[in-house]
Amino acid sequence: QSVLTQPPSVSGAPGQRVTISCTGSSSNIGADYVVHWYQHLPGTAPTLLIFNDNNRPSGVPDRFSGSKSGTSASLAITGLQAEDEADYYCQSYDGSLSAYVFGTGTKVTVL
Amino acid sequence: EVELVESGGGLVQPGGSLRLSCAASGFTFSGHSMNWVRQAPGKGLEWVSYIKSDGGNIQYADSVKGRFTISRDNAKSSLYLQMNSLRHDDTAVYYCTRGQGDTRWYLHRLGNWGQGTLVTVSS
Repeated sequence: QSVLTQPPSVSGAPGQRVTISCTGSSSNIGADYVVHWYQHLPGTAPTLLIFNDNNRPSGVPDRFSGSKSGTSASLAITGLQAEDEADYYCQSYDGSLSAYVFGTGTKVTVL
Repeated sequence: EVELVESGGGLVQPGGSLRLSCAASGFTFSGHSMNWVRQAPGKGLEWVSYIKSDGGNIQYADSVKGRFTISRDNAKSSLYLQMNSLRHDDTAVYYCTRGQGDTRWYLHRLGNWGQGTLVTVSS
């Protein structure tokens, strides 16, 4: 059972902005552990999209951005493109579980 | 280019054992922590186990503690996962991932992932 909660799905038209929330608790995001985001196209290897709350690895477009506040984090995608259709997962560390924890995952659909 | 290639998956009966391997290339294997992450059919990602670059710190998810053993051979640039007492709910694609970050393992990100190997536990 995931300890980080994400909406099951979000959708938007090409060019629009969508956001994905990742809600945790005082033992993970609220304890100021960093949040990372991954993009996963089914059948392929997941890729790192955002690390340490709001940093992009080289090669990731600046259309993707991350933020964190309190017990929640968010991923924003601006200028939505067809190639952004994928599953997105947040990930942090939970001090009570002594474990990396993932979000429940969000499927992004480009209308 | 970083490459992680998993192998060893397959069909196994409940209570059985399986050993997964991950061959790494394109980076200094001995300088990075490694992890196993799994995804059950139709489910999300679940972290399974972590091992420090020198093998000196090992962590497990509660769901596999006492049944799975992670190990590595830095001379062979290889990561392993010995899975014993397998259960139906261990059925998943298992991914080998490279950790990135400083000495605080709990802040590491999973910078690179393999394509995964499917483990099916069924009678």
